[in-house]
Amino acid sequence: AQSVTQLDSHVSVSEGTPVLLRCNYSSSYSPSLFWYVQHPNKGLQLLLKYTSAATLVKGINGFEAEFKKSETSFHLTKPSAHMSDAAEYFCVVSRTSGGYNKLIFGAGTRLAVHP
Amino acid sequence: DAGVIQSPRHEVTEMGQEVTLRCKPISGHNSLFWYRQTMMRGLELLIYFNNNVPIDDSGMPEDRFSAKMPNASFSTLKIQPSEPRDSAVYFCASSLAGAEQFFGPGTRLTVL
Repeated sequence: AQSVTQLDSHVSVSEGTPVLLRCNYSSSYSPSLFWYVQHPNKGLQLLLKYTSAATLVKGINGFEAEFKKSETSFHLTKPSAHMSDAAEYFCVVSRTSGGYNKLIFGAGTRLAVHP
Repeated sequence: DAGVIQSPRHEVTEMGQEVTLRCKPISGHNSLFWYRQTMMRGLELLIYFNNNVPIDDSGMPEDRFSAKMPNASFSTLKIQPSEPRDSAVYFCASSLAGAEQFFGPGTRLTVL
């Protein structure tokens, strides 16, 4: 069965420093993986997705993630954090079920950015 | 494009009352999803519609919950009777043919 584990529930960084949000996945076959962001009192927005093309995926707002099959990881990174990056981030795996792609969400990582 | 529209944004009700949440998907999208987000259980899929037909309702918690999609531009999620443990944020999302899901802003439900 497909699942994702987000290794940190909270991450705190200073503005201008790198961001690393960790995600490990479990899948019996090559998965589709996503990162979504949720700003306070807002809906979820897709940051980026991996669908078995390039292993390094670039997303919006300077974020990127690298698919590493040997480590079953899909960590999200950004070289330099901005105050507006403060939000909750969800690692998501897609599972084909009943003919459609069902999204399985991780527990989320809350990113705090300090001045 | 207005995106996925949900109403109301906030709902406070008393235990035992009926609650109806509404969703307007993005025009042209043929898939619609209802999710529930709680601190304890995170984000869970409640029900999935394709071309207005419920395909997967295995996530609906119990018979108190029901969802309808009478046409391609409108869906409702009803809870009757509501209970305090139903307090959560309910999201609607839509997509086209299994592609990226676009989420609405959510409805924050509080049942007293």
